Amino acid sequence: GQNIDQPTEMTATEGAIVQINCTYQTSGFNGLFWYQQHAGEAPTFLSYNVLDGLEEKGRFSSFLSRSKGYSYLLLKELQMKDSASYLCAVREEVAGTALIFGKGTTLSVSS
Amino acid sequence: EAQVTQNPRYLITVTGKKLTVTCSQNMNHEYMSWYRQDPGLGLRQIYYSMNVEVTDKGDVPEGYKVSRKEKRNFPLILESPSPNQTSLYFCASSLSLHTDTQYFGPGTRLTVL
Repeated sequence: GQNIDQPTEMTATEGAIVQINCTYQTSGFNGLFWYQQHAGEAPTFLSYNVLDGLEEKGRFSSFLSRSKGYSYLLLKELQMKDSASYLCAVREEVAGTALIFGKGTTLSVSS
Repeated sequence: EAQVTQNPRYLITVTGKKLTVTCSQNMNHEYMSWYRQDPGLGLRQIYYSMNVEVTDKGDVPEGYKVSRKEKRNFPLILESPSPNQTSLYFCASSLSLHTDTQYFGPGTRLTVL
């Protein structure tokens, strides 16, 4: 079976650092994605991890531990425009459904 | 410009009136899929296609059909829409099943009365 958990909501202030966690249980694992989605818009790709460790891309970093079924997205120097939903998605090894999405974490950044 | 397009972007219809939502990509991607997004449920896959004439069911295929006659197009067909199909629909494509990202279309907001 598949199960992806992430917090429903988080709040933070401009300039701060926030960490959004994602835990997953899947029958096979072939990569984990983070997407950003602003209200009413399409998801946009942020990061991809398939090996354990940290991937850094500007203000955003993503970490993966396959043995723990755990990932986090780290956002630094928060800006108001970072207010959005952040979707964790896991790709399974089996052919078929490419990505299983979590329900998303809505991040609100205040000044 | 590389993109995934969907039409229409907004549609209000009535129960039972057949409709088609088109999806087209200009990136020569093999893999295309349809998702619906509902509050509290997240994105759920409806159907996907790994190449021309190859389609398969995702997590929530009931009430939907798809076709893949050409590589660039992947229409979603609702033969007899019902109110529980009111949702935000996204088409997505990627180079293959195993590449590292999907590109999403802008979304189609469908209301079935």
